[in-house]
Amino acid sequence: QVQLQESGPGLVKPSETLSLTCTVSGGSISNYYWTWIRQPAGKGLEWIGRIYSSGSSHWNPSFKNRVTMSVDTSKNQFSLKLSSVTAADTAVYYCARDPFRSSFDFWGQGTLVPVSS
Amino acid sequence: EIVLTQSPGTLSLSPGERATLSCRASQSVDTKDLAWYQQKHGQAPRLLIQGASSRATGIADRISGSGTGTDFTLTINRLEPQDSAVYYCQHYGSSPPMYTFGQGTKLEIK
Repeated sequence: QVQLQESGPGLVKPSETLSLTCTVSGGSISNYYWTWIRQPAGKGLEWIGRIYSSGSSHWNPSFKNRVTMSVDTSKNQFSLKLSSVTAADTAVYYCARDPFRSSFDFWGQGTLVPVSS
Repeated sequence: EIVLTQSPGTLSLSPGERATLSCRASQSVDTKDLAWYQQKHGQAPRLLIQGASSRATGIADRISGSGTGTDFTLTINRLEPQDSAVYYCQHYGSSPPMYTFGQGTKLEIK
């Protein structure tokens, strides 16, 4: 059974960079798309971006080039950096797998990232 | 960009009844790119349906998806208390890659 686990700092200050890592266990990171999705408290789901195991990535244009993603196949991990954060970036951040380039079959439990000074 | 509109916003039903949740796309979409998720309070979403009508692994057969074009439906038969959750539809567009979610339907089991 594939499992995903997000990790990162518990708090980020405004204007700084939010950094998260997702560790994949129970399966290989190779030959899949891996995605970041976030959810502000009490609100819906928003796709941030995805990365293929080769390193090719795409992100949601609404993030205006603030997103950087990377993958480390030797560690079975992929990462997200979101720059110039504001309070509006406060959310639960999920990592997930997209096996067929259409939907997400395995999800991490999510990690709450508050943005506050 | 495809916009997905879900209705109703909230649905309150009793155990044993049938729930019918709607997802309408702003333009016609390929059925293979439409999915449904269940999210219980404090948990990550769980994939229920992919390709508009194919149940994901381990999903009970009382849950089904249907639809084509712009109108899609998630049906849950014989409701159980543990079906209380928010349900989201999601679309994948390939050019450029973009995933969008509906705003969700909250299902309450009385």
